[in-house]
Amino acid sequence: AQTVTQSQPEMSVQEAETVTLSCTYDTSESDYYLFWYKQPPSRQMILVIRQEAYKQQNATENRFSVNFQKAAKSFSLKISDSQLGDAAMYFCAYRAASNFGNEKLTFGTGTRLTIIP
Amino acid sequence: GAGVSQTPSNKVTEKGKYVELRCDPISGHTALYWYRQSLGQGPEFLIYFQGTGAADDSGLPNDRFFAVRPEGSVSTLKIQRTERGDSAVYLCASSLGSGGGTDTQYFGPGTRLTVL
Repeated sequence: AQTVTQSQPEMSVQEAETVTLSCTYDTSESDYYLFWYKQPPSRQMILVIRQEAYKQQNATENRFSVNFQKAAKSFSLKISDSQLGDAAMYFCAYRAASNFGNEKLTFGTGTRLTIIP
Repeated sequence: GAGVSQTPSNKVTEKGKYVELRCDPISGHTALYWYRQSLGQGPEFLIYFQGTGAADDSGLPNDRFFAVRPEGSVSTLKIQRTERGDSAVYLCASSLGSGGGTDTQYFGPGTRLTVL
């Protein structure tokens, strides 16, 4: 079974600074997808960024980028120029690439990010 | 509406009672997922629907939990004889269900269930 581990329950960063959230995972699959989701107090999970395992290039979305190390099974999220609106729980998630359409996600336990004004 | 909606937003019930939680997915999305998020944890998969059929119910914790999607749109998660350990946020997500691997799951705001 796949597992996702987030070892940082809480992180804080000064506004406008950069912060990196860590995630490791375990799988025997060679092809899969990795995601970072943001969950603000409204509870709604919002997709931040995704990475296909077969792509060597790290995904980027504006101020958000990942460092994907496939051999190490590591998938960290870097947030640049942190803004107050970035404050939320961040979840790392894994999904098998080929599961006959079943795209169920396996989540880590989350990291609570606080932005200090 | 444009997003996934869930009702009720909050539900308080007594131990032993029956509850129904509703999910209204994005129009046109054939895939629907239920997850359960306990306090301080990430969401855990419960069940996956493709159209009207439950294609994977391996995450349902026991036979007190059941879900339906009779017309391939709205889904209802049903919990019988609720226990205090069922208290959690129940999240619903939907996606196009194309099976191409590039689908994005869109989540609803969840239903917070409290069993007293």
